[in-house]
Amino acid sequence: ETGVTQTPRHLVMGMTNKKSLKCEQHLGHNAMYWYKQSAKKPLELMFVYNFKEQTENNSVPSRFSPECPNSSHLFLHLHTLQPEDSALYLCASSQLDGRAAVEQFFGPGTRLTVL
Amino acid sequence: DAKTTQPPSMDCAEGRAANLPCNHSTISGNEYVYWYRQIHSQGPQYIIHGLKNNETNEMASLIITEDRKSSTLILPHATLRDTAVYYCIVRVEGFGNEKLTFGTGTRLTIIP
Repeated sequence: ETGVTQTPRHLVMGMTNKKSLKCEQHLGHNAMYWYKQSAKKPLELMFVYNFKEQTENNSVPSRFSPECPNSSHLFLHLHTLQPEDSALYLCASSQLDGRAAVEQFFGPGTRLTVL
Repeated sequence: DAKTTQPPSMDCAEGRAANLPCNHSTISGNEYVYWYRQIHSQGPQYIIHGLKNNETNEMASLIITEDRKSSTLILPHATLRDTAVYYCIVRVEGFGNEKLTFGTGTRLTIIP
């Protein structure tokens, strides 16, 4: 248990569906992240939020839309996805204290399958 | 951030020390070496990090060569639960650089 929870743990959706992934951190951190891990590919950063402001968008297609309403919650809204978007989506959080965070705490991930 | 090179896989007998190497020959003076691991179907877990001195915590030790071009993560008494993919990451530590760039890592298998 890392203090970062993700729901749902598994999701199957069609290409025309709209769904959302939720992440919640119980650590009092002020930065949150979305990562994508496709089969046989390295983990890749998608988005970074510092103090609820998006500071990085790693050239992610617009069919992925993040939302960070407060420092404890992070959402990833999904619409019109493609089968190649099937992957493990991981959320992480960290505490920024004037220098880069030493440690990012990861959730267990959401396994997404797009049919 | 500097790139890293790790062997794709390694085996280690249970109870022995597991030594995982990482090459980062292009590392800059202000770049730290971080290690994370990912147990199957879980999110990555932070292990340890260092700049130029050797570091030790309750999970592992990190040995960085004097020229900082390579490092070794040591799990002193490997258990079956240490079977995972281990990632060596090099990055600058400074406000605004929160990005972790993962490579393909080393798949460590602990053998009973």
